[in-house]
Amino acid sequence: AQRVTQPEKLLSVFKGAPVELKCNYSYSGSPELFWYVQYSRQRLQLLLRHISRESIKGFTADLNKGETSFHLKKPFAQEEDSAMYYCALSQSNLQGAQKLVFGQGTRLTINP
Amino acid sequence: DSGVTQTPKHLITATGQRVTLRCSPRSGDLSVYWYQQSLDQGLQFLIHYYNGEERAKGNILERFSAQQFPDLHSELNLSSLELGDSALYFCASSTRDRGHNEQFFGPGTRLTVL
Repeated sequence: AQRVTQPEKLLSVFKGAPVELKCNYSYSGSPELFWYVQYSRQRLQLLLRHISRESIKGFTADLNKGETSFHLKKPFAQEEDSAMYYCALSQSNLQGAQKLVFGQGTRLTINP
Repeated sequence: DSGVTQTPKHLITATGQRVTLRCSPRSGDLSVYWYQQSLDQGLQFLIHYYNGEERAKGNILERFSAQQFPDLHSELNLSSLELGDSALYFCASSTRDRGHNEQFFGPGTRLTVL
C-alpha cells in the first residue's frame, strides 16, 4: 500500500541552524512527491515538488529512490519557517486521476 | 478572492444530523478534491471530481457523498453524523484531471459533532 511517513511530529531548532524534515514513502510505481506547508492561520500551500528540482525559500528536497526518502532541508533556519510541513505522494488511478497521500505532518518551530 | 473558497468556516451539529459543506474552486480550475483532516488519521483523500464527473475515490464512508455542479462548485454531504466525523474538511482544486498537477487548497471547514 502507498504510504508516507514523517517520523517526527515536532521538530524544534534554533534560528540559523540547519533543518531537516524527514519523509519516507512506500510506492510501487515511479513516485511523484511534494512538500506542502501550512503557516499559522493560513491554508495549505505547495512548497516544492521533486520533479522541478528547485529551491523555494531556501528549502530543497532530493528524492532518494534507494532509501525511499524525500527529506526537506534548509541550511539556515529562519523564524518565519515555523509552520506545519506535510510530505505528500501523488498517486494516479487507472484513469490517470490523481490523489495525494499525505504524511502525518511535522510541526517545525524555529527558536530565536 | 480568486482562490479556493469554502463555506461555512465552522459548523457545529449533533450526532445523527446531516450537513453540507460547500467549495468553490479557483477560477478556471475544473478539478475539485475533498480531504478530511482529523487528529488520529491525518489528512485523508476522500474524493475527486472533474468537470462534474467523479474521477477517483478514497476512503470515503457510504454516509458521505459529493457532487460537482455545472458552475464547478462542489458540495460534500455528510449524513448520520457520528462523533468521529469531527474534523477539518479541506477542498482543493487544480486545472486538470490527470497527471501530477499542483493542488490549491481552501481554508477548510471545521466540523464539530456533539
